[in-house]
Amino acid sequence: EPEVTQTPSHQVTQMGQEVILRCVPISNHLYFYWYRQILGQKVEFLVSFYNNEISEKSEIFDDQFSVERPDGSNFTLKIRSTKLEDSAMYFCASSGQGVSGYFGPGTRLTVL
Amino acid sequence: DQQVKQNSPSLSVQEGRISILNCDYTNSMFDYFLWYKKYPAEGPTFLISISSIKDKNEDGRFTVFLNKSAKHLSLHIVPSQPGDSAVYFCAASAGIIQGAQKLVFGQGTRLTINP
Repeated sequence: EPEVTQTPSHQVTQMGQEVILRCVPISNHLYFYWYRQILGQKVEFLVSFYNNEISEKSEIFDDQFSVERPDGSNFTLKIRSTKLEDSAMYFCASSGQGVSGYFGPGTRLTVL
Repeated sequence: DQQVKQNSPSLSVQEGRISILNCDYTNSMFDYFLWYKKYPAEGPTFLISISSIKDKNEDGRFTVFLNKSAKHLSLHIVPSQPGDSAVYFCAASAGIIQGAQKLVFGQGTRLTINP
């Protein structure tokens, strides 16, 4: 069964450093998403991406965040200057037309 | 932001019995609802969904009921099995922007199936 993959599974970084979280969505999907879950809190929408541009973004997704689909398979989330409060599980998801989102296993980001 | 609420943080059910997980929402613009299951160290796994034009959708042991007037939905699992032990998230979507579906999640309910 096709699946969404994410790397790394765990990323530890120092406050102020840049991080790039990587995702390989399901190959025939067209819509891509990032969500995050701070420990003990809800899964929160960050951004959706379609046709090489952002479809929608949340208030969390400020100028420190960016997304990119650099080639035909990868989808990345960059945080330019990490803050302590960015520590969370980051989930990538993808969906096809009329198909509900398939989530990856997540990247645990720890900002020290 | 409490647009989607799961008021029971945990639920314990005997194996073979029915598990009922509940979810309430406040945003009347939501038109599509989903249930996800999550094991530790894994991402949410899609289980079942329902459009706001329906009041019931069934898939094997899983049935989702939607009561639009009460802004309430529930997931029924029958019979419950030990492998159903996980955290269950209710999620909702309000329309689709350029085909993309932004989901608003509830807090989750941890279901434990006891042998």
